[in-house]
This record gives sequence, C-alpha cells and structure tokens, in this order.
Amino acid sequence: DGGITQSPKYLFRKEGQNVTLSCEQNLNHDAMYWYRQDPGQGLRLIYYSQIVNDFQKGDIAEGYSVSREKKESFPLTVTSAQKNPTAFYLCASSIAVLSGNTIYFGEGSWLTVV
Amino acid sequence: QQQVKQSPQSLIVQKGGISIINCAYENTAFDYFPWYQQFPGKGPALLIAIRPDVSEKKEGRFTISFNKSAKQFSLHIMDSQPGDSATYFCAATTGNTPLVFGKGTRLSVIA
Repeated sequence: DGGITQSPKYLFRKEGQNVTLSCEQNLNHDAMYWYRQDPGQGLRLIYYSQIVNDFQKGDIAEGYSVSREKKESFPLTVTSAQKNPTAFYLCASSIAVLSGNTIYFGEGSWLTVV
Repeated sequence: QQQVKQSPQSLIVQKGGISIINCAYENTAFDYFPWYQQFPGKGPALLIAIRPDVSEKKEGRFTISFNKSAKQFSLHIMDSQPGDSATYFCAATTGNTPLVFGKGTRLSVIA
C-alpha cells in the first residue's frame, strides 16, 4: 500500500537522551515535513525538506535535527536540548512544497519523556 | 504571530444540525485554503480546499465559504453525524511555502 509509515507509534525517553523518530514514504514525493501537535496548539512545523540533501527550519526547530539522505526517508531526532519534547509527532509528504499540493500525513508517533 | 486564527476551540452539535467552524488570516498572499480532518490517534487527512477566486465550494455535506475582503473562510458541515466527530484544522499557504495551520476545533456530534 502507498503511504507514509511512522515508527515507533509509542516511545518513552528518559530526560537527557536523544531519540530518533522514523518516517518512510513510498509515494515518490519530493517534499517531506515534520509537525508537532500539542493539545490546543494545532500543528506546528518543525522542519521540512523540498529535496534530498536539503532541509529548512520551521517555526519550532530548536532542539530538533533532521536528515534527508534518501527521497523516501526523513528521520527526526529529538535531542536533549528540546525542553518539552512530550508530544504527538506527525510526518507528512507532498509532491512538492507548492500551494495547492495535498499534504499526506502518517499516523503519528507519541513521544513521552519519563 | 499566529497567521491563521481558528474558532471555536470546541463545538458540540446535535445530530442533523449544522456545524460551523471559522478561520481568519492576515497574509493577503495566501492563495490556497484547505481543511483537514483528524480522528483520535490518527494523522490529519485533507477534507476539502478552496482557492480565493471562488466564494464557495461544496463537496457532499461539506462546504467552504470564502470571504476575500474580510480575510475569512469557514467550514460548514450540513446534517452533522456522530461519525463527523473529529478535530478540524484550517490551513493556508502561498507559493512554495509550507502550510500554516490553525489551532484546531474539536467537534462532537451528539445524538
């Protein structure tokens, strides 16, 4: 099936540890995104990538890092510098970062800091 | 600065009633306005979208009304059903910039 696969679905992290969330898509999309969702805060953009080996910071990039070595993959690392990392993380993709293009979302990853 | 303001934060509607969610934007360069629907524990999915060159777009029970001069757009759900209970996000974008989302509206349709 075509789509976006995020893993793991649930993840627990101890304070001070880095953690990496996986995102894979088989839609042949050039653009990929990471959003963070908190109750009452909507979807806030962390990073996005328009093409392999290129990515841009979103509104809340501090404490996060990404890589885009392959077209299909856009992993997100939540570093220990992120002060409040507990949230629902959504990966998405689209044909391009262009007005009018539909963004497709994965099913999300829940990260809890314990 | 929030670029898309969405209201209300939550909404309870009787089955068969009309659900109305409103959004306002500030950037007059925005030229694409989608609405996304999200069920609990799932990722959002595109519901319906509109361009500013039309004032209304209807797909089944879902209608977007767009007021360019007021910089506002709204989602109307006619004959609301319990299965419509979800969180709805409005969004906007222009050119080659990522979507900017509103904060969401949690809709509950009760029988």
